[in-house]
Parts: sequence; C-alpha cells; structure tokens
Amino acid sequence: SYVLTQPPSVSVAPGKTARITCGGNNIGSKSVHWYQQKPGQAPVLVIYYDSDRPSGIPERFSGSNSGNTATLTISRVEAGDEADYYCQVWDSSSDHRGVFGGGTKLTVL
Amino acid sequence: EVQLVESGGGLVQPGGSLRLSCAASGFTFSSYWMSWVRQAPGKGLEWVANIKQDGSEKYYVDSVKGRFTISRDNAKNSLYLQMNSLRAEDTAVYYCARGDMITFGGVIVSYAFDIWGQGTMVTVSS
Repeated sequence: SYVLTQPPSVSVAPGKTARITCGGNNIGSKSVHWYQQKPGQAPVLVIYYDSDRPSGIPERFSGSNSGNTATLTISRVEAGDEADYYCQVWDSSSDHRGVFGGGTKLTVL
Repeated sequence: EVQLVESGGGLVQPGGSLRLSCAASGFTFSSYWMSWVRQAPGKGLEWVANIKQDGSEKYYVDSVKGRFTISRDNAKNSLYLQMNSLRAEDTAVYYCARGDMITFGGVIVSYAFDIWGQGTMVTVSS
C-alpha cells in the first residue's frame, strides 16, 4: 500500500518561510493535495493538484511536487497559520483508495 | 453558501450499528463524487469511503469493507454512512467531504476533498 511520510513538527518564526515535506515513492507522478486543520475545526483544502490554490487561500501558500517529495511552502508566516497540515493523494495503482500523510504540526514561534 | 452538515453520531456499544447522514446545500449535489473521512481522537485523517454521482461506484478503506456502506439520495441532497459491527477502533469524528477529481479512461487518477462538513463524533464503547 502507498505510504506518505511527513515530519511530525515544523517550527518557524513569524515573517519567515515554512516548508512542510511529504515523501512517497515516485510521488511526483501523482497529484498531491494539502489540508490545513486548526484545533477543533474541520480540515480546509489549501493546495490541490500539486500547486493550485482554491479560491480564498492566500498567495502565501504554494506547493511543488517532484521525484519522491512534495512540498507545501508558506511564505511570510503569520500566527494564524499555526495548525496541522496533511498531504493526500489518490492511490489507484493497486486498490482505489485515498491516502493521507500522518500530518505536520506547524508551530509559529 | 456551499455547506455540508453531518448528523447521526453518538455513543454505541461494540458490535452495534449507527447511520450517519450528511445534508448538502449550495451546490448541485448530484454532480459530485462524495466521501467520508474520519479522525480518531488525537490522530490524523483517514479516508473511509467514496461514492460516484449516481451511486454506481463505491470504494472503501480495507478496515471497514463488509461493515460500512456508503450511499446517497440525490433527490434529498444527502449522503449516508451505514456502520455495522462497530469496533472501538471506529471511534472518531466522521467528516463528510465533497470530491474534486480527475479521471483518465474512466479511472480516478486524482481525488481531492474540496469542501468539508463540521464532523460528527462516533464513540464505540461499552
């Protein structure tokens, strides 16, 4: 089964750039989606199809995907960006199923 | 406003059953694949099931196959999850989510969850 690996935590100072990685075997051949989840709230889609931003998501959020690593980049980090972030793909290689990474807690120092 | 509202969660004993509902509004429900995603307390997100617009295709995570059934009623703009033979490990917040996808040759090659409900809590305990 397909596995996505994220670092458990990332810390960044306000105004700096945060990069959250998502590792998977040849993940560059798949479309990666990213979700933000704040405590007690439902997840929100922030990046889809590797690098597209849904309506209402700030331009500070961007994504890339190549080789075995996809990356969510948050520029000019704000206190309100503190949240859990999850990457996700659809695995149609063997069985049709959705796969989430384990999540990364972003802490704004 | 695009909205998904779940209901039907609660406390149930191991081996019991529960039916979750999700009411959709603000978009053409019958035009979208729909999904259930769950999150155990303090844990990450886990995809549970998907259903095609007309209900003709359904996919499940292995751990719920044979126990859970996803269904929909397009006339009522509603999505359902029938959960039978519940186990302690099914305890989670269950989210209803709308699908945004790409297919190739009729096969899903990418699927994102673009709209989420607020979730409903299911607790399996004696």
